[in-house]
Amino acid sequence: NAGVTQTPKFRILKIGQSMTLQCTQDMNHNYMYWYRQDPGMGLKLIYYSVGAGITDKGEVPNGYNVSRSTTEDFPLRLELAAPSQTSVYFCASSYGGKTEAFFGQGTRLTVV
Amino acid sequence: RKEVEQDPGPFNVPEGATVAFNCTYSNSASQSFFWYRQDCRKEPKLLMSVYSSGNEDGRFTAQLNRASQYISLLIRDSKLSDSATYLCVVSSINTGTASKLTFGTGTRLQVTL
Repeated sequence: NAGVTQTPKFRILKIGQSMTLQCTQDMNHNYMYWYRQDPGMGLKLIYYSVGAGITDKGEVPNGYNVSRSTTEDFPLRLELAAPSQTSVYFCASSYGGKTEAFFGQGTRLTVV
Repeated sequence: RKEVEQDPGPFNVPEGATVAFNCTYSNSASQSFFWYRQDCRKEPKLLMSVYSSGNEDGRFTAQLNRASQYISLLIRDSKLSDSATYLCVVSSINTGTASKLTFGTGTRLQVTL
């Protein structure tokens, strides 16, 4: 019963490097979300998707890209990592935009 | 104005106390409401959905006031294990976009002996 799976769990990047955070769900959910959470702060929506092939910007999309080629996968790409992107990244999915969301365990990213 | 607003706390209460959190939302077209719980350095998890008529789950009671655009969470007989951050979540539909979930920044609860 996997639910939402994120990889990696931890990562240290150097400034200017790029990486992709992986997120996959096995619940056949239409909606998927990427959030970031800085220490002691709330969740901020980066991007979301309402279905395969459809993505939309959230509150803080700059410095990130996403794609949704399948229902199951919603990778988040960081180009040219900056220290301001040091955060915990959560992926979530839901059946619809009005239903509860299920979260992955998060990816803790440090940019040095 | 933020879409979803919560008092960040912290609320420090003794074991056995009753504590209440409120959350206000700005979009009157909001349709679904939830309370999530987040433990330190963990992912948020659904605590309960909030229904128009109000609903109860053990020691937890959630209420919705559409006229004043707020939802509340009441915790009775607080336990040490209730210490966490409680997130208010609202689903809204905006013209021209799909509905999506918006999270409040959370209210931190610390239950003490």
